[in-house]
Amino acid sequence: AQKITQTQPGMFVQEKEAVTLDCTYDTSDPSYGLFWYKQPSSGEMIFLIYQGSYDQQNATEGRYSLNFQKARKSANLVISASQLGDSAMYFCAMREDNFNKFYFGSGTKLNVKP
Amino acid sequence: DVKVTQSSRYLVKRTGEKVFLECVQDMDHENMFWYRQDPGLGLRLIYFSYDVKMKEKGDIPEGYSVSREKKERFSLILESASTNQTSMYLCASSVGTGVVNNEQFFGPGTRLTVL
Repeated sequence: AQKITQTQPGMFVQEKEAVTLDCTYDTSDPSYGLFWYKQPSSGEMIFLIYQGSYDQQNATEGRYSLNFQKARKSANLVISASQLGDSAMYFCAMREDNFNKFYFGSGTKLNVKP
Repeated sequence: DVKVTQSSRYLVKRTGEKVFLECVQDMDHENMFWYRQDPGLGLRLIYFSYDVKMKEKGDIPEGYSVSREKKERFSLILESASTNQTSMYLCASSVGTGVVNNEQFFGPGTRLTVL
């Protein structure tokens, strides 16, 4: 079974609007971490935000927030006030705390329109 | 500034050649990883290492081997390159378990083309 599922291969959003990128995960480990990375066309992977499975509040980092719904096993990334520079691939990832491995989704390509 | 570096950004090799991809990190991280990235498939783990001389197979180890003789260096080896190994290869490192937010730090990637 897929550990991380991103069901949106591509999305468009108008500049200055908010956008939600979906991510669901599958684990039986009670302790885990969820990550979002951004990959611009240049290829580097940029860490955006982290959510721990025991964190009570949703993580936020500037314009990025993580909508964590533990019972539904979803960890959606919300980008507020989209900018042209947000156009990139976005990957959701999970690490189970008992292991060192990370699992990545297939990614969502976001295009921000002016 | 933390850094993961990879020996080449672009590499072109011929079928059957032995290929070495080098990765170096300067953060004293215990864990190092090799992924390949293909369109629509995301990042797939080839091998990872949690200590010097230790290695574990990832999801797609066939056709690859690795070497970690020093903590800061993790090498990916294609013993006999084939055209289906044409891909983007990403190296990453992270601290060991026990750290809550042990994000992975990535290198710039090596785009390998096998002709």
